[in-house]
Amino acid sequence: GAVVSQHPSWVICKSGTSVKIECRSLDFQATTMFWYRQFPKQSLMLMATSNEGSKATYEQGVEKDKFLINHASLTLSTLTVTSAHPEDSSFYICSATESAGAYNEQFFGPGTRLTVL
Amino acid sequence: RKEVEQDPGPFNVPEGATVAFNCTYSNSASQSFFWYRQDCRKEPKLLMSVYSSGNEDGRFTAQLNRASQYISLLIRDSKLSDSATYLCVVNSGGYNKLIFGAGTRLAVHP
Repeated sequence: GAVVSQHPSWVICKSGTSVKIECRSLDFQATTMFWYRQFPKQSLMLMATSNEGSKATYEQGVEKDKFLINHASLTLSTLTVTSAHPEDSSFYICSATESAGAYNEQFFGPGTRLTVL
Repeated sequence: RKEVEQDPGPFNVPEGATVAFNCTYSNSASQSFFWYRQDCRKEPKLLMSVYSSGNEDGRFTAQLNRASQYISLLIRDSKLSDSATYLCVVNSGGYNKLIFGAGTRLAVHP
């Protein structure tokens, strides 16, 4: 149980285009989903936290107009990288937890590797 | 100063060796602590939670020292399959926010 999927697993796009990444909880309802970014040899950095039906909370330094997050249902959250540039090339990973509040284990998706040419 | 600091390694050890990783965290209000394992180009996977009293899971032992804000992971009888990056992770404040260390790379050789 507790499986999280991401799609696509990798994507290559041209500079200036937008890319949408989907994160789905397959066998549980995810009240909260998280989006992380990881550059080579660096730690995972939390970008934003999203709760179903409400606006995402972005971490300091993350542009909300560039990284659009939608969490329209309890099993799906999407991250859209708008007007992507080469510096946005990274490994994007989502995670999901069943309930908010006190700590619950986060289940991670397999990640999406984005390369912007 | 980073919120979670780890020695990046790499630690190169032979099979059967015992290896220890250390981690320090800066937020004294941190509530939960974990070790994750991340294989190359994969997502992190929870290895074990870390409790104040210390805890063991097979060959893995985790310790927490809240006074020193220090966490450790001991791996005994290393296997080739233990080769990975080990991430020290701290839950800071409420709402499930996880802060990841940059990881310590372990390479176990025959």
